[in-house]
Parts: sequence; structure tokens; C-alpha cells
Amino acid sequence: EAQVTQNPRYLITVTGKKLTVTCSQNMNHEYMSWYRQDPGLGLRQIYYSMNVEVTDKGDVPEGYKVSRKEKRNFPLILESPSPNQTSLYFCASTKGGSSYNEQFFGPGTRLTVL
Amino acid sequence: GQQVMQIPQYQHVQEGEDFTTYCNSSTTLSNIQWYKQRPGGHPVFLIQLVKSGEVKKQKRLTFQFGEAKKNSSLHITATQTTDVGTYFCAPTDSWGKLQFGAGTQVVVTP
Repeated sequence: EAQVTQNPRYLITVTGKKLTVTCSQNMNHEYMSWYRQDPGLGLRQIYYSMNVEVTDKGDVPEGYKVSRKEKRNFPLILESPSPNQTSLYFCASTKGGSSYNEQFFGPGTRLTVL
Repeated sequence: GQQVMQIPQYQHVQEGEDFTTYCNSSTTLSNIQWYKQRPGGHPVFLIQLVKSGEVKKQKRLTFQFGEAKKNSSLHITATQTTDVGTYFCAPTDSWGKLQFGAGTQVVVTP
């Protein structure tokens, strides 16, 4: 089944404790991205990747890191989480090297930083 | 940069009624996508519009792209409880930058 998976689905952590949210897709998509969703603000792009070893900042990259060592995986890293990073996070993948095509979203990761 | 305004933010609809949600951009768009997110779920792609003035239909949903490619609308006829959720527009500007609107949250009263 074609899908985007994220882990963990729920996470409660404390300020400053490094964490990684994994994202994997099995559709051989080149383009992957991370979004955060907050009430009234819609989906805001954090980082995106057009292919392996090619990443770039989205609209709200501060406090986040990403890497793209393999085509299928695009982990999101919070080196020192803070309470304002409490949010719902979605990973998405798209066929091709741009955002012009349909995006397939993962199930989401709800993160709470205390 | 591109500014996307989606209105209304909330829409309460009686089952069987029609409603429309609008997406407006400050810049000319390359294309626009629409997504639906059910409560507790993730966004799911509905449709993509590319041409000026384009109109596409999916059963009771009608999507339209403005003539100037700066706005779009989603019209739902005879609303059903299955239409509950948040509808997002996601325009792409001429530089390939994709941005999501804040969404229209739809609540349907039986």
C-alpha cells in the first residue's frame, strides 16, 4: 500500500531534550516536506527536500533540522525543543522534484513540549 | 511574498444546504490545489486547477479557478454529514512556492 509513515504519533517531552520524528514513504517520491499545523494558521512548511542530499528552508525553519540521506526517509530533528514547538506535525511526499503535484501526507505527530 | 487568504474561517451548515469557501491570493498563481482534512485526520488531496477560469466537479463539489488566477472557490451543494472537516487551498506561485491557506472548518448540523 502506498503510504507515508511517521513515528512516533504522539510524543510528550521536556524543554531541551533532543528528539527526532521519523518520516518514510514507499512511493519513490523525490520531493518531501515537513509542516506544522497550529489552530488558525493552517499548515506551515518547515523544511523541504527536492531529492537526496538536497534540502532547503520553508517558512518556519527556526529550531528544526532535517536530513535526506536516503530517498525514502526524511527525519525532522529538534535539537533543543521549546514549548512554542508544541504542535501537530505532518510529513508529506510528492512525485517529482517540486511541489506542483499532489502531496501525500503522513498521519501526523502530535508533539507536546513541557 | 505570497499571501493567501481563505474565507470564511468557520462555516456552520445545515444538512442539505449549499456553501462556498474562497481562497484569495495577492499574487498570480501557477496552480492551486485543494485538500480536505477530516477531524483527527491528515490532509487528503482533492483536486488541482491549472488553467485560468477552469472549473472542475467531483460529485457535489465544484472547484473554480479565477480568470486572473488570483483566486479560487470550492462550492458544495446539498451538504452531507460526510462533508465535515477542514478544507484547505494550497496555491503555488510562479516561482513554485506552495503555501497553504488557514483553512475553512466546516460543521454540518443534521
